[in-house]
Amino acid sequence: EAGVTQFPSHSVIEKGQTVTLRCDPISGHDNLYWYRRVMGKEIKFLLHFVKESKQDESGMPNNRFLAERTGGTYSTLKVQPAELEDSGVYFCASSQDRLAGTHNEQFFGPGTRLTVL
Amino acid sequence: LAKTTQPISMDSYEGQEVNITCSHNNIATNDYITWYQQFPSQGPRFIIQGYKTKVTNEVASLFIPADRKSSTLSLPRVSLSDTAVYYCLVGEVGNTGKLIFGQGTTLQVKP
Repeated sequence: EAGVTQFPSHSVIEKGQTVTLRCDPISGHDNLYWYRRVMGKEIKFLLHFVKESKQDESGMPNNRFLAERTGGTYSTLKVQPAELEDSGVYFCASSQDRLAGTHNEQFFGPGTRLTVL
Repeated sequence: LAKTTQPISMDSYEGQEVNITCSHNNIATNDYITWYQQFPSQGPRFIIQGYKTKVTNEVASLFIPADRKSSTLSLPRVSLSDTAVYYCLVGEVGNTGKLIFGQGTTLQVKP
């Protein structure tokens, strides 16, 4: 079974440019999450999709960030315009539907390292 | 989700047993304790979960005292490949919501 994949693995852009990150979850996983780690900080939650709907977007830092999951399959996270403080590693994770009495294990991708110059 | 506290870093040598303790004084009745492992340049990976007493799998053991205010992840006979960051999280089992990560414990295994 293929794991969660993310593209690109690295991205270097200049301040003010636009970048789009892509995440392909494990097939059949309705839940898709975005997280971010800024250098020296903890991994922080950004948002959670259930299929194509945003279940929780409380972690999105501002309106420069736009996440979509059309059709409930892959997801994109667009940063427009990018700022220096957006640099970090962006992780995507996916999980199955809630199963009573079991841990909702989240499977993480390898992350996209974004550098804004 | 309950806040957790772990040591920031630990060193060990190959073949030793490593115990990483996590404090979660405000753990709720419905919360489980879950540990994730993160290797360099990878995303976190689930390794073990428990509610009370002891849980063991092929990777690690998890010891939870009766008051559940702390837990200890035990890695038997570590190797260089166990060098990673280990995160302790607490939350309701079956909850499909966000994970809240602390700083984690960076374990460095030396030859």
